[in-house]
Amino acid sequence: AIQMTQSPSSLSASVGDSVTITCRASQYIRHDLGWYQQKPGKAPKLLISAASSLESGVPSRFSGSGSGTDFTLTISSLQPEDFATYYCLHDYNYPYSFGQGTRLEI
Amino acid sequence: EVQLVESGGGLVHPGRSLRLSCTTSGFTFGDYAMTWVRQAPGKGLEWVGFIRSRTYSGATDYAASVKGRFTISRDDSKSVAYLQMSSLQTEDTGVYYCARGLALPRHWGQGTLVTVSS
Repeated sequence: AIQMTQSPSSLSASVGDSVTITCRASQYIRHDLGWYQQKPGKAPKLLISAASSLESGVPSRFSGSGSGTDFTLTISSLQPEDFATYYCLHDYNYPYSFGQGTRLEI
Repeated sequence: EVQLVESGGGLVHPGRSLRLSCTTSGFTFGDYAMTWVRQAPGKGLEWVGFIRSRTYSGATDYAASVKGRFTISRDDSKSVAYLQMSSLQTEDTGVYYCARGLALPRHWGQGTLVTVSS
């Protein structure tokens, strides 16, 4: 099974900062990766699919890049509502798997 | 509006079984695969498994941690997906979410809490 290693596990930042979260796959997954945002007590929300395609309604300050094994999620000009936990998820083959998550804190 | 509502969670003793339901509305249920994801208290998301639509023979697949103990099924006439959990262990405690679709689901339920404890 493919393992997804996400880093960092937590990150402190301020409103207006730019941050980058990394996800590394244990083997080649093409561009078959998405990024989710989860707030406490809520279901995850899909932000980016196919490594770099922004979902409808998601602010343009979110961007994704990468292919193969290394992927990044960048959030530019952080807003108060962006403080949450972020997860990558690969959908290259079964079983799919999530990264361990990155908690973005003020 | 697409809606998914999980139910059936609760407190269960180790070794026992429990069935969760995911009742859906707002879309043609039979056209979609359904996925289950869980989250232990204070921990990250774990992909549990999925069931494909009847068009794709309703095929299922599971995470290694639940294979052989959990079974996903569906009733297209009721627009409901099920997660049958058996031989439950304390490590199965968490919030269980159902989601519409197979790859990178966009629509999720609010989750139902399963607590496995003696």
